[in-house]
Formats: sequence, C-alpha cells, structure tokens
Amino acid sequence: RKEVEQDPGPFNVPEGATVAFNCTYSNSASQSFFWYRQDCRKEPKLLMSVYSSGNEDGRFTAQLNRASQYISLLIRDSKLSDSATYLCVVKDGGFKTIFGAGTRLFVKA
Amino acid sequence: NAGVTQTPKFQVLKTGQSMTLQCAQDMNHNSMYWYRQDPGMGLRLIYYSASEGTTDKGEVPNGYNVSRLNKREFSLRLESAAPSQTSVYFCASSRRWKQGGETQYFGPGTRLLVL
Repeated sequence: RKEVEQDPGPFNVPEGATVAFNCTYSNSASQSFFWYRQDCRKEPKLLMSVYSSGNEDGRFTAQLNRASQYISLLIRDSKLSDSATYLCVVKDGGFKTIFGAGTRLFVKA
Repeated sequence: NAGVTQTPKFQVLKTGQSMTLQCAQDMNHNSMYWYRQDPGMGLRLIYYSASEGTTDKGEVPNGYNVSRLNKREFSLRLESAAPSQTSVYFCASSRRWKQGGETQYFGPGTRLLVL
C-alpha cells in the first residue's frame, strides 16, 4: 500500500464548478500536511498547508481528519487557470516528505 | 532572487556514464532536498541535507551520492548511470515556520534520459 494515496483523475469540470480532491495517508505518526500544485512540466509549488481545524484561502479549503487519516482539498468557482496536478504531501516530524502521485484537474470553458 | 536553480535542464547519458546535477539556492535556507519524479509515482526523496555539513538518505538513495558543498549548494551525483535512473530530478530548499509548517521551494528540474 502506498504511504500517500490520491485519486489520479483526471477530473474534467466546467468553469465555475466546485471540485473536491481526497487523499489518504498510512502513517499515523505524520505531523504536517500540505497541498502542492504542479503545472505541466513545471516544478511543484506550495498551494496551502492543512491544519486540523481546517483552513481556507480564497476559493480553496483544506480539511484534515486525523482519526481517518484523510485530507481533502475543495476548490470553489473553478477557473481555467486552476488546471494543474494537485499533490498531497505528508511529513513526519523530521525531514521525511512523502508526496502522493497527484490528481489531475482540467477546467473547461 | 533567483530562488532555486538547477543545471543542466536536460541531459542524455549512456549506461555507465557518470554525471553531477547541480543545485543552488539564494534564500539562506538550511535544508535542501533531492527528489526524482516518475510517471504515476509522485516525487520520491533521494537524499536530503538538514543543514550545511550533513546529508541523509531518503526513500530511494541507491545509485546516487550527494554533497552539501556549502549552505547554498547541494549536488547529486550518478556514478554509473542506469536506464532505471531516467527521470525528472528536482532540487528543493525549505524554510520552516511556526506550528510545524514548512514551505519547500523547488527548482525547475533536470530531465535525464539514460540510454
């Protein structure tokens, strides 16, 4: 079983739609959680951290459920520019960083 | 500020050849990382350096060596390249902040093909 699992997609949605991505992790000792965004043939960039209480940044909302070892990302009012691959990232208390394989999103006009 | 830079951008090697991938950051970060990215597998950590003078193995270190030359530079060496090392290699540096958060900043990547 992979340490971090994501639905690979692709998710094809129209502009303005709401889309949700899910991620599960296997190490219950994991301490930090993030979503990164990666455009085609580019480097990953931090989208947002994920806190236990849930957090929001504009149209993006991240949730963490430690009991179920589950992380989610909700994108509201999708834009064409949101088309990318979204990477779920989990860290232990040190330097070990585990990336999910990513979920591809295509937003269509 | 250039952020994280990597050279070369592309490289083709024959099996058995050696090469060094260079990485530098100008953000005064202590921690640096080397990852490889293969289709369907996400990024996998090869080696990391928590601070200048220290290096540690990540998830897939076999066939690689690293050098943390100074605070800015962290190089990755393939001593005898194999086709299985065909991949995209990303270097990253990180800044830690309160509440256990961290931002990793990635370089643009090196696309390596081993024939």
